[in-house]
Amino acid sequence: KQEVTQIPAALSVPEGENLVLNCSFTDSAIYNLQWFRQDPGKGLTSLLLIQSSQREQTSGRLNASLDKSSGRSTLYIAASQPGDSATYLCAVRGSQGNLIFGKGTKLSVKP
Amino acid sequence: NAGVTQTPKFQVLKTGQSMTLQCAQDMNHNSMYWYRQDPGMGLRLIYYSASEGTTDKGEVPNGYNVSRLNKREFSLRLESAAPSQTSVYFCASSPVLNTEAFFGQGTRLTVV
Repeated sequence: KQEVTQIPAALSVPEGENLVLNCSFTDSAIYNLQWFRQDPGKGLTSLLLIQSSQREQTSGRLNASLDKSSGRSTLYIAASQPGDSATYLCAVRGSQGNLIFGKGTKLSVKP
Repeated sequence: NAGVTQTPKFQVLKTGQSMTLQCAQDMNHNSMYWYRQDPGMGLRLIYYSASEGTTDKGEVPNGYNVSRLNKREFSLRLESAAPSQTSVYFCASSPVLNTEAFFGQGTRLTVV
């Protein structure tokens, strides 16, 4: 059974710092991996989707990498801002099409 | 630019009551999903519909039924609500299975 783990569970950094969020999964037979952002009391906003054949995807200050063979993905946030404060969720998609989610990393960026 | 719209946003039910959560998407997506999110458990798939006319069970389907009313709408029904169904429910859609998923704002359900 696929399991997705996100470390750390919570992270607090000063504004301007570059940071890395980690995601690991137990079954490397994934179709793709998606990173989401969730603000308190809100829905999920899709940030980046990486296909299993890709190594990384970039969107603005965000860069996500995927190492399928080792079961790892990282989300790199450059020059963090207070507006980046949210919970970041990693989800992998298996052959049946459903997303398996990690429990998230709660990020707090202090001004 | 509505995307995925869920109604209601909040609901309180008594144990044993029934209700239907509504979801509609305006992105012409074929696939739709229902998830629940519980503290410490993450999001778990309840049911999904790969395309209009099909529905399949996810990880936690017990106590729920779904209807894919048409391509736009996918509803989730609780026939006899239980306190264990207190959760935040999210509807999502994607162009087809295995593509990028887009989520609604959620329905916060409390069963007392």
